Amino acid sequence: DADVTQTPRNRITKTGKRIMLECSQTKGHDRMYWYRQDPGLGLRLIYYSFDVKDINKGEISDGYSVSRQAQAKFSLSLESAIPNQTALYFCATSRTGGDTQYFGPGTRLTVL
Amino acid sequence: EDQVTQSPEALRLQEGESSSLNCSYTVSGLRGLFWYRQDPGKGPEFLFTLYSAGEEKEKERLKATLTKKESFLHITAPKPEDSATYLCAVQATSNTGKLIFGQGTTLQVKP
Repeated sequence: DADVTQTPRNRITKTGKRIMLECSQTKGHDRMYWYRQDPGLGLRLIYYSFDVKDINKGEISDGYSVSRQAQAKFSLSLESAIPNQTALYFCATSRTGGDTQYFGPGTRLTVL
Repeated sequence: EDQVTQSPEALRLQEGESSSLNCSYTVSGLRGLFWYRQDPGKGPEFLFTLYSAGEEKEKERLKATLTKKESFLHITAPKPEDSATYLCAVQATSNTGKLIFGQGTTLQVKP
C-alpha cells in the first residue's frame, strides 16, 4: 500500500470553480507539503505544515489555501480556479528532525 | 537568493555508456542536497541525501558526489530502465523543511 496517497489523480475543471485536492499519509510524519510542477520550472512549494496547528506559505501561495485536518491529512484548495493553475500537484511528507521528503503520486489538474 | 541549476536539460545515452549529470547550487548555508528520480506520471522517488563536501553515496549504477558548489550524479553502464528525469534539490540551514528544486535532467537510455 502507498504511504502517501493523493485524490483525485486526475481532474478537469472549468475556470472559476472551487477545487480541493486531498493528501493522506500513513508514514506517521508530522510535516506535510504541497508542490506544483510545471514543465521547465521544476517543483515549487505552495504551502507547508510542520504540525496540525502550523501552516506556512511557500513561494507561490497566491490563489491557493490549505487545511490540515489531522496529522495524516493535508488538503489544498483552489478557491476560484484559473487556467494557469493547470499543473501537476504533489503532496510530500517528512518527519520532524528528518530532512528527506517523500512524495505522493500526484494529481494532474487541468483548468479549462 | 537560493538557487539550483541542473545540466544538461536532456541526455541521450546508449546502454552501457557512462555519463554524469550536474547540479550547481547557490545557498546561504547548505543543510542537505537531495537527488530524486521521477518517472513519467509519477511522484519523485528519493535516491540520496548528501550533507558535506566530499561526501559520496552509491546505489546500484548511481553514485552521487558533492562539492561546495555542485553535485554530480554519475551513471555507470546505464540500462534502459534508468531512463527517467533526475531532480536535484537543496535545503538551506536557514529554512529547514523547504526544498528548492532544479528543473531536472531527463535521461533516455537506448538499448
